[in-house]
This record gives sequence, C-alpha cells and structure tokens, in this order.
Amino acid sequence: RKEVEQDPGPFNVPEGATVAFNCTYSNSASQSFFWYRQDCRKEPKLLMSVYSSGNEDGRFTAQLNRASQYISLLIRDSKLSDSATYLCVVDSWGKLQFGAGTQVVVTP
Amino acid sequence: EAGVVQSPRYKIIEKKQPVAFWCNPISGHNTLYWYRQNLGQGPELLIRYENEEAVDDSQLPKDRFSAERLKGVDSTLKIQPAELGDSAVYLCASISGRGTGGADTQYFGPGTRLTVL
Repeated sequence: RKEVEQDPGPFNVPEGATVAFNCTYSNSASQSFFWYRQDCRKEPKLLMSVYSSGNEDGRFTAQLNRASQYISLLIRDSKLSDSATYLCVVDSWGKLQFGAGTQVVVTP
Repeated sequence: EAGVVQSPRYKIIEKKQPVAFWCNPISGHNTLYWYRQNLGQGPELLIRYENEEAVDDSQLPKDRFSAERLKGVDSTLKIQPAELGDSAVYLCASISGRGTGGADTQYFGPGTRLTVL
C-alpha cells in the first residue's frame, strides 16, 4: 500500500462548477500537509498548505481530517486554467511524500 | 530572485552509458532534494541534503546512482550505468529551512527529462 494515495481521475469539470477530491495518508505521525499543482511537462508548484482548521485561498478550500487520515481540496467556480494535476504532499519530519496526483480537466 | 536551476533540460542516452544531472538551488537554501518522477506518478525522493550532508539517501539505488553536494550549494546526481527503467524526469528542489516542515517553501527546478534507449 502506498503511503499517500489519490484518485488519479481525470475529473472532468464544466467551467464554473465545483470539484472536490481527497488524498489519504497512512502515517498518523505526519505533521504537515500541502497541495501542489503540476501542469503538463512542468515542475510541481505549491498551491496551498493544509491546516487542521481548514483554510481557503480564493476559490480553493483545503481540509484536513486527522482522525480519518485524509486531506481534501475543493475548487469552486472552476476556470479553464485550473486544468492540471493536483499532488497531495505529506511531510513527516522533513521527509516529503507525494501522491501520484489527481488530474482535473475543466471544459468549456 | 533566480529559481532552482537544472541542466541539462533533456538528455537522451543509450543504456549502459553514464549520465549526470546538475542542480543549483536557490541562494541561501540549505536543504536540497533530488526526486525522480515517472509518467503518471508523483515525485519520489532519491536523496535529501542538509548543506553538504546527505541526511536521507535510503531510496537512492546505490548500485548505480550517486550524488554529491561538496560545498553545500550545487549538487550533481549521476547514474552509471543507465538502464531503460531510469527514463524519467529528475527534479531538484530546495527549501530554506531545515528538518521538519518546509514544504511550504519548497521550490522545484524545471527538471531533466532523461530518455534511455
């Protein structure tokens, strides 16, 4: 079993709609959690950190559920430019583990 | 501010040949990572440096892979000899912090896309 698991998708989302997806992790001692975005043939870039209380950054909302060991990302009012692969990252004492990513395709 | 610099951007070699990748992290960043990313997968850590010390190389295939960061700044990752299965994107990343946390300040280079024929 992989330590960080994601639904690979693709999630096909009409422009303007909302999409949400999760990431599960196996190490209960993990400390920090992040969502990264990766465009095709580009390097990953930090989208947002995930805090226990949940946090928003514009149209993006991230949640952490430590009891069930998952984090989620919700995108509201999807834009065409949101099409990308979203990587879940779990940080355990400086060791960063990436999920395989969830592909989101926003269609006109 | 310059980002993480990697070279070459692309490399095509025949199997059994050696290959080397170079990374120059963001100035002042003490921690440097080398990752390998296969198609459809997330980056997988190969080695992590804190300054010039390799603090986590548990996932580095040491029979054919080696890395160095002699002066705690730029780093080189080498494969000798390369195998077909080594075809992947090799990403370098750096963070300014040390030890726990830090992914919120992690920056990736553009990667080196290796094709082994």
